[in-house]
Amino acid sequence: GAVVSQHPSRVICKSGTSVKIECRSLDFQATTMFWYRQFPKQSLMLMATSNEGSKATYEQGVEKDKFLINHASLTLSTLTVTSAHPEDSSFYICSARGSASSYNEQFFGPGTRLTVL
Amino acid sequence: DQQVKQNSPSLSVQEGRISILNCDYTNSMFDYFLWYKKYPAEGPTFLISISSIKDKNEDGRFTVFLNKSAKHLSLHIVPSQPGDSAVYFCAALGGAQKLVFGQGTRLTINP
Repeated sequence: GAVVSQHPSRVICKSGTSVKIECRSLDFQATTMFWYRQFPKQSLMLMATSNEGSKATYEQGVEKDKFLINHASLTLSTLTVTSAHPEDSSFYICSARGSASSYNEQFFGPGTRLTVL
Repeated sequence: DQQVKQNSPSLSVQEGRISILNCDYTNSMFDYFLWYKKYPAEGPTFLISISSIKDKNEDGRFTVFLNKSAKHLSLHIVPSQPGDSAVYFCAALGGAQKLVFGQGTRLTINP
């Protein structure tokens, strides 16, 4: 149980375009989803936290107008990178926590590799 | 400001020996610590955790030690197996309930 999927696993796009990444909890209801970004050889950095049905809470330094997060249902959250630039190229990982989970339980998706040309 | 630090980017250990991965933190408000294992192009998978009220937690071949006064924790894997080769992340949780990760240590188990 507690499987989280992400789609796509890899995406290449041109500079200036927008890219949408989906994060799904497959066998549980995710009341909270988290979005992380990992640059090569660096730690996972939390970008934002989203609770189903409410606006996402962004970490300091993360542009909410650039990284649009929607958590419209208990099994799906999306991250849209708008007007992507090469510096947005990174590995994006989501995680999910269910209503029955303790606060320290997060289940991670496999990640999405974004390359902006 | 890196609140969770893994100062060794890589570690190489002989199969069958003990692997010791270290992690230091600076924020005394952290009260729960976790270790994750990560393969390339995959998300982290939970390995073992420890609450700040304990100093040791063991699960099979994996043991995590916490030294609160030194703000240091370590993960011991014994005996090490080739399948343990991966990147290991230390993470901490505090009142904000947000995971703060270290930079990771790449563990290579040599046959």
